[in-house]
Amino acid sequence: NAGVTQTPKFQVLKTGQSMTLQCAQDMNHEYMSWYRQDPGMGLRLIHYSVGAGITDQGEVPNGYNVSRSTTEDFPLRLLSAAPSQTSVYFCASSYSRLAGVETQYFGPGTRLLVL
Amino acid sequence: GDSVTQMEGPVTLSEEAFLTINCTYTATGYPSLFWYVQYPGEGLQLLLKATKADDKGSNKGFEATYRKETTSFHLEKGSVQVSDSAVYFCALRTTGGFKTIFGAGTRLFVKA
Repeated sequence: NAGVTQTPKFQVLKTGQSMTLQCAQDMNHEYMSWYRQDPGMGLRLIHYSVGAGITDQGEVPNGYNVSRSTTEDFPLRLLSAAPSQTSVYFCASSYSRLAGVETQYFGPGTRLLVL
Repeated sequence: GDSVTQMEGPVTLSEEAFLTINCTYTATGYPSLFWYVQYPGEGLQLLLKATKADDKGSNKGFEATYRKETTSFHLEKGSVQVSDSAVYFCALRTTGGFKTIFGAGTRLFVKA
């Protein structure tokens, strides 16, 4: 049982490049989410999904796209990277959105640097 | 709006020292409160929680009491160890909703 996995661990992009951050979980969780963590700020919710085929915006969705074609995977896409997207990105999953944050499992994070 | 404020770090302590990390919140109604810990290279893990006023959450020697009168949820440990070195996040879940608000995090260094 690997829990929540994220790849890559670290990535450097140039402004305007695109990339996909991968997130997978093997716990059959319905709810998955993406956060970004910036210095001096708490985690902020980017997008979330309550099940395959269903996604919605969080607090800071601009510049990011998501899709959820399977229960296991929830990739985050940056279509045209900007320096403001330099951050650490965390994926999390839970068996239900109703279950609350205390039941969320977090991945180890992806550190992204946009030059 | 709802918010969480934590003391700025880093906090540097010697082993066996007493730890306090302050957390205050602003929220309507009766939020649930949490402390998360993030060890180097890992994701956040739930450390403890409290769901109503005067509740005390505890785990691994850490404690925090939900104080509604002072809107606080300070994290304490009587004797820290080197292995407690990590970043600690205070968080709240809004009343009746699914929104979670995290504080900025406080980095703790414990020296042997």
